[in-house]
Amino acid sequence: DAMVIQNPRYQVTQFGKPVTLSCSQTLNHNVMYWYQQKSSQAPKLLFHYYDKDFNNEADTPDNFQSRRPNTSFCFLDIRSPGLGDAAMYLCATSPSGGSNEQFFGPGTRLTVL
Amino acid sequence: GENVEQHPSTLSVQEGDSAVIKCTYSDSASNYFPWYKQELGKGPQLIIDIRSNVGEKKDQRIAVTLNKTAKHFSLHITETQPEDSAVYFCAAGDDYKLSFGAGTTVTVRA
Repeated sequence: DAMVIQNPRYQVTQFGKPVTLSCSQTLNHNVMYWYQQKSSQAPKLLFHYYDKDFNNEADTPDNFQSRRPNTSFCFLDIRSPGLGDAAMYLCATSPSGGSNEQFFGPGTRLTVL
Repeated sequence: GENVEQHPSTLSVQEGDSAVIKCTYSDSASNYFPWYKQELGKGPQLIIDIRSNVGEKKDQRIAVTLNKTAKHFSLHITETQPEDSAVYFCAAGDDYKLSFGAGTTVTVRA
């Protein structure tokens, strides 16, 4: 089945220790998104790629970076995680953005100790 | 930017009754309005969506209405079942971005 896969599902890191979350898709979609979702809150868009074109949200902290080496994979790098970065991180894809459905992965739950 | 407000934040209904969730948005440029269902520990899943050129859409027990003039849209679930218990998010967007409401936790009592 075509799908959005996120690894790992659970990630524990230490305060200040860099961490990378990964997302892969078999849908061959042009657009990939990273959202942060804190407990009992709405998903908050961090950035998205349209093909290789990176689009950062204005309020996304510099601590968060992303890479998209090819159509299928996208990575979220948190350079120096703080306690406030503990959250669920959701990856989503869309055929070409616009008024098109976003398909979400299962998420990675990040814990910062 | 777009601001989406969602009400109520929690909703408890008796099995078989209807559930209604309402959202308002601020940006008149928004033209796409999806609703997502999120179960515990899982990513959001699209359950229904509506575009700005349509006023109402129905899919079995789920319906969505859109009033572009008033900038509000609603989700209606009829004949609720225990498996409808989840968090529901509305969203509004255009081009490549969606802004989400804060979510409604729906509990269906057996």
